[in-house]
Amino acid sequence: DVKVTQSSRYLVKRTGEKVFLECVQDMDHENMFWYRQDPGLGLRLIYFSYDVKMKEKGDIPEGYSVSREKKERFSLILESASTNQTSMYLCATTRTGALDEQYFGPGTRLTVT
Amino acid sequence: QKEVEQNSGPLSVPEGAIASLNCTYSDRGSQSFFWYRQYSGKSPELIMFIYSNGDKEDGRFTAQLNKASQYVSLLIRDSQPSDSATYLCAASTDSWGKFQFGAGTQVVVTP
Repeated sequence: DVKVTQSSRYLVKRTGEKVFLECVQDMDHENMFWYRQDPGLGLRLIYFSYDVKMKEKGDIPEGYSVSREKKERFSLILESASTNQTSMYLCATTRTGALDEQYFGPGTRLTVT
Repeated sequence: QKEVEQNSGPLSVPEGAIASLNCTYSDRGSQSFFWYRQYSGKSPELIMFIYSNGDKEDGRFTAQLNKASQYVSLLIRDSQPSDSATYLCAASTDSWGKFQFGAGTQVVVTP
């Protein structure tokens, strides 16, 4: 029953390290999203992709980049991790025009020290 | 800044009572609206969605939408301890699912 998986549940990195978070889906959804969730702030959209090799900035893209080389895989990259990027990162997928068909991954709790 | 606003709570509800959660949104271009339940340490789970003005019922849940007032609500009838969670409201202006989320309302159902 696997739908959306994320590469790690917990991750601890040092300031300045390059960090890769990976999301893989098996539902053939066109659209994939990366959010971060912080207490009191809800989910904030970092980047999204509506097709292979396509990407769009969300509300808070600074300090992040993404890659989507295959339809099922969407990677979030922190080029130089900073302590203010300590957060829960959630990947989500949707099917265009059928937004009730959507799934979240289990999340990655990233701590940057 | 396009915003979705929710009361943070906690909303304390006796077991068996109705929990009423409210959400307002600022972007009049919003077309579809979603309610999620999120247990502590878990990812959000979609429980209701609504596109048209009026009420939509699914089991113990009823979503209500009033686009003129830019207001969405969720009613949980016969609340159970298992309903204790944070409930997130989200709005989307497009067909891809680019959502604006509220910060969530914590619900605590007391036996």
